Amino acid sequence: KAGVTQTPRYLIKTRGQQVTLSCSPISGHRSVSWYQQTPGQGLQFLFEYFSETQRNKGNFPGRFSGRQFSNSRSEMNVSTLELGDSALYLCASSLVDQFGVGTEAFFGQGTRLTVV
Amino acid sequence: SQQGEEDPQALSIQEGENATMNCSYKTSINNLQWYRQNSGRGLVHLILIRSNEREKHSGRLRVTLDTSKKSSSLLITASRAADTASYFCATDTGFQKLVFGTGTRLLVSP
Repeated sequence: KAGVTQTPRYLIKTRGQQVTLSCSPISGHRSVSWYQQTPGQGLQFLFEYFSETQRNKGNFPGRFSGRQFSNSRSEMNVSTLELGDSALYLCASSLVDQFGVGTEAFFGQGTRLTVV
Repeated sequence: SQQGEEDPQALSIQEGENATMNCSYKTSINNLQWYRQNSGRGLVHLILIRSNEREKHSGRLRVTLDTSKKSSSLLITASRAADTASYFCATDTGFQKLVFGTGTRLLVSP
């Protein structure tokens, strides 16, 4: 069974630009979450999608957005990039039961974004 | 902000020794999960323990959970050099929102 796939693996962007990151979950997983990892703030939750609906959102500015498609694939977008957005962005997918409760979250290898 | 605190922040042991890491958290949880990360790469899921469980084993891993003290511990027995990594605890507070601890850097020397 293929794991969580994130593309691209590495990205260099200039301040002010926007970027779109992609995540393909494990087959059958309908919940997709995004996290930002930086040396200073550690691992922080960005948002979670289930059945194309955002169910939960972390404490990030509106420049960070996401969406989920009907095949459960997800994208996150960061507009007007700032130097502080340089980070490892991780995507995770989970199985969810009929009550909307998830189990283990499996992570992809991440996209390392550098803003210059 | 991070909910969990892990200690120690760094741990250095010899191969064959046991490694114990502790995690404390602040709010009620659905479950607690432990992850391993090698050199800033993706997170590898190790084990999940539900809020109504007290102990769980998986191979060389043993996890305990004390919800009254809001704490968990991860024990790795008979450590190997390949266990060298950062270890994180993460609490699921609902809708798959994982709140991560600060992590423990484990170095296992041959």
